[in-house]
Amino acid sequence: NAGVTQTPKFQVLKTGQSMTLQCAQDMNHNSMYWYRQDPGMGLRLIYYSASEGTTDKGEVPNGYNVSRLNKREFSLRLESAAPSQTSVYFCASSSGTGLGYGYTFGSGTRLTVV
Amino acid sequence: AQSVTQLGSHVSVSEGALVLLRCNYSSSVPPYLFWYVQYPNQGLQLLLKYTSAATLVKGINGFEAEFKKSETSFHLTKPSAHMSDAAEYFCAVEDTGGFKTIFGAGTRLFVKA
Repeated sequence: NAGVTQTPKFQVLKTGQSMTLQCAQDMNHNSMYWYRQDPGMGLRLIYYSASEGTTDKGEVPNGYNVSRLNKREFSLRLESAAPSQTSVYFCASSSGTGLGYGYTFGSGTRLTVV
Repeated sequence: AQSVTQLGSHVSVSEGALVLLRCNYSSSVPPYLFWYVQYPNQGLQLLLKYTSAATLVKGINGFEAEFKKSETSFHLTKPSAHMSDAAEYFCAVEDTGGFKTIFGAGTRLFVKA
């Protein structure tokens, strides 16, 4: 049982390049999330999908787009990468929102934008 | 708006000593509260959660946390630290009926031999 799988694990981009971070979960969870982690700032929510077919902005959505492809997959796209987007990105999933289930996290994607 | 404050970005204890990591929350209604642990180069792992069933919550690896409504606190403790407990710990709050979980800035725990 893989849980939440993120690809790639590492990526270096040049400023202005685009890329998509992939996330898939095999736990039949309804809700999926994208967070970024920066030193001293904890985790900040970028986008979330409360259920298949819906997506909503989180705390720091600028410069990102998302797609909930199906119940299993939730991708994060950077259209034109900027150095400020250098971070570690985590995908997470949950059985539901607002119900105290807690999250299952992927192992992260470490992104550097030069 | 809900928020989470973790007191102390770094905590250092000796092996065998008590571990105490502090977390205070701000929420207009009784929330769901969580502690997560992150080992180096890994994702976060759920350690324990409070969902109003009991104020003292036991988690994995011997950790426990007590919900104190009067103090709006949810501090994490472990009676005896082990070297393997060295990691970063995050407190988080989720409003009942809400769609987001807010994380604290994290506390890095160092365990000295």
